[in-house]
Amino acid sequence: QVQLVQSASELKRPGASVTVSCKASGYTFASHGLNWVRQAPGQGLEWMGWISTKTGNPTYAQAFTGRFVFSLDTSVSTAYLQISSLKAEDTAVYFCARDRSALFSFYMDVWGEGTPVTVSS
Amino acid sequence: DIQMTQSPSSLSASVGDRITITCRASQGISNFLAWYQQKPGKVPKLLIYATSTLQSGVPSRFSGSGSGTDYSLTISGLQPEDVATYYCQKYNSAPGTFGPGTKVDIK
Repeated sequence: QVQLVQSASELKRPGASVTVSCKASGYTFASHGLNWVRQAPGQGLEWMGWISTKTGNPTYAQAFTGRFVFSLDTSVSTAYLQISSLKAEDTAVYFCARDRSALFSFYMDVWGEGTPVTVSS
Repeated sequence: DIQMTQSPSSLSASVGDRITITCRASQGISNFLAWYQQKPGKVPKLLIYATSTLQSGVPSRFSGSGSGTDYSLTISGLQPEDVATYYCQKYNSAPGTFGPGTKVDIK
């Protein structure tokens, strides 16, 4: 069946980096883009951006430029979110979510289980 | 960027009630509007896309409508399993902004 499996929870010190992975299965990876969504504790959903699995071209929401990088390894149908120079306010659950489209950021029809990232000294 | 608002921020209703959640965009979004349900501690789930198209497997008591800047999600016959936070999301162009959410519980 179609699924997105994310990497396990992470505990990091401020200033460190973290990489979250999202492995897709059950469908043709290049046929659907991948979105990243953040949910801080007790807060709502925040769209971080999207990466085309056809072109590898990422699009970032304004709040997520600079320290956030989306990438792909199409050979293993996996997307990655790398966050550098971590801050306490990066503490959140990070979701990957399959986009309905391969070429444009549309709506999200399949979600990963989420990866909790905690930033604490 | 287009901003999304939702009202109410929370509501409490009885089993069987008909409830409506509204979502407003700061500019027209041409029906590129989706609704998601997130139950406590769970992953968000797509309910509706293109304003009114029900995702496969979603109960027919859920419906969506709207146009321009104003959209709504209606649950006709609230069930205990509908306790959740509901988010709208616009996707006419990046960023795919979510609304702040509406928390629904049972009276």
